[in-house]
Amino acid sequence: DAGVIQSPRHEVTEMGQEVTLRCKPISGHNSLFWYRQTMMRGLELLIYFNNNVPIDDSGMPEDRFSAKMPNASFSTLKIQPSEPRDSAVYFCASSYGGGWYNEQFFGPGTRLTVL
Amino acid sequence: DAKTTQPPSMDCAEGRAANLPCNHSTISGNEYVYWYRQIHSQGPQYIIHGLKNNETNEMASLIITEDRKSSTLILPHATLRDTAVYYCIPSRGNQFYFGTGTSLTVIP
Repeated sequence: DAGVIQSPRHEVTEMGQEVTLRCKPISGHNSLFWYRQTMMRGLELLIYFNNNVPIDDSGMPEDRFSAKMPNASFSTLKIQPSEPRDSAVYFCASSYGGGWYNEQFFGPGTRLTVL
Repeated sequence: DAKTTQPPSMDCAEGRAANLPCNHSTISGNEYVYWYRQIHSQGPQYIIHGLKNNETNEMASLIITEDRKSSTLILPHATLRDTAVYYCIPSRGNQFYFGTGTSLTVIP
């Protein structure tokens, strides 16, 4: 199994530009999570999906952030417009079950730098 | 979700057991205790989880006190590759809130 795949691995953009991060979960997993990690705030859960449906997006910082999961094998996290404070490592994770105890498998992350 | 307290850093000699404590005194009855670790620049990696009983797998052992207010993760024979930040996470389900964790350094 290839594990969770994220692209791009690194992204450098200028303030005001649109940024799209992509994630392919592990085949067969039905839950998908987007996290953001910064030195100041640590690892934060932004949103999670179960069976392609957003269950909790309370961690999404503001309306500039949006996430979609059009099918079981693909999800995007979009930032429009991007700001320097969005610079962080964004992780995608997936799991199977959606129940009480689930091992989440994390991708390698996308390091975003907004200039 | 329960608050956790972990020491910010620990050292361990290579080959010795690493014992990482976690206080989660406000844990609720239906919250499991999960442990994850994050090796520098990588995504977090699941280690083990438990509810009441002690658990063991190929990576580690988890000891949970009878009142469930604290737990200890044990890496029986630490190697240099175990140098990482270790997170203790009480959770009822899919929503994991990672704290600051314990930065474990395994010393040759």
